[in-house]
Amino acid sequence: SAVISQKPSRDICQRGTSLTIQCQVDSQVTMMFWYRQQPGQSLTLIATANQGSEATYESGFVIDKFPISRPNLTFSTLTVSNMSPEDSSIYLCSVRDAQVEAFFGQGTRLTVV
Amino acid sequence: QKEVEQDPGPLSVPEGAIVSLNCTYSNSAFQYFMWYRQYSRKGPELLMYTYSSGNKEDGRFTAQVDKSSKYISLFIRDSQPSDSATYLCAMRRGDYKLSFGAGTTVTVRA
Repeated sequence: SAVISQKPSRDICQRGTSLTIQCQVDSQVTMMFWYRQQPGQSLTLIATANQGSEATYESGFVIDKFPISRPNLTFSTLTVSNMSPEDSSIYLCSVRDAQVEAFFGQGTRLTVV
Repeated sequence: QKEVEQDPGPLSVPEGAIVSLNCTYSNSAFQYFMWYRQYSRKGPELLMYTYSSGNKEDGRFTAQVDKSSKYISLFIRDSQPSDSATYLCAMRRGDYKLSFGAGTTVTVRA
């Protein structure tokens, strides 16, 4: 199984600022995803990070708010821009390859004050 | 209506009890069914993965899928305090997108 390292593990940020979350995988993977996990709610897919091209966003998520980069097959970043308290959540990187189901990083716990 | 509904819990059981976790779904296109375990302050960890209706066992864990009723279950036998976690059901169609339940928090009391 892939080993996923996510940084930072947690952060407290001021509203109006931006935070970039990094996801590093120990092997090349075809698909990388970013999820949001809010208390008491299901994991929600934000976007699919596409290597070498723009990310594919799910309904309700836009590139201006959550810009994503994926420069290669092992690394991706998610930026949460112009943060508000409503962005306080856990953000998770996930990977999937071939017939292997999704594996997750340990998550980034974000608090916006 | 949500695509995936999961019994909300929380559940508190004594050590050695059987834990039963359940999810229902509305989309008959779902083909693959998974259970994830998530410890506090950790990411979800894949526990069980099934494709067809029926039962699948892995040690103390049994995953059950009933496609005709759109119902999946996870049973944990001889539960241990180390099983205390949040359990998430997830499912997908033939593509890559997973739909998750909201999770059930389980506490196993020593």
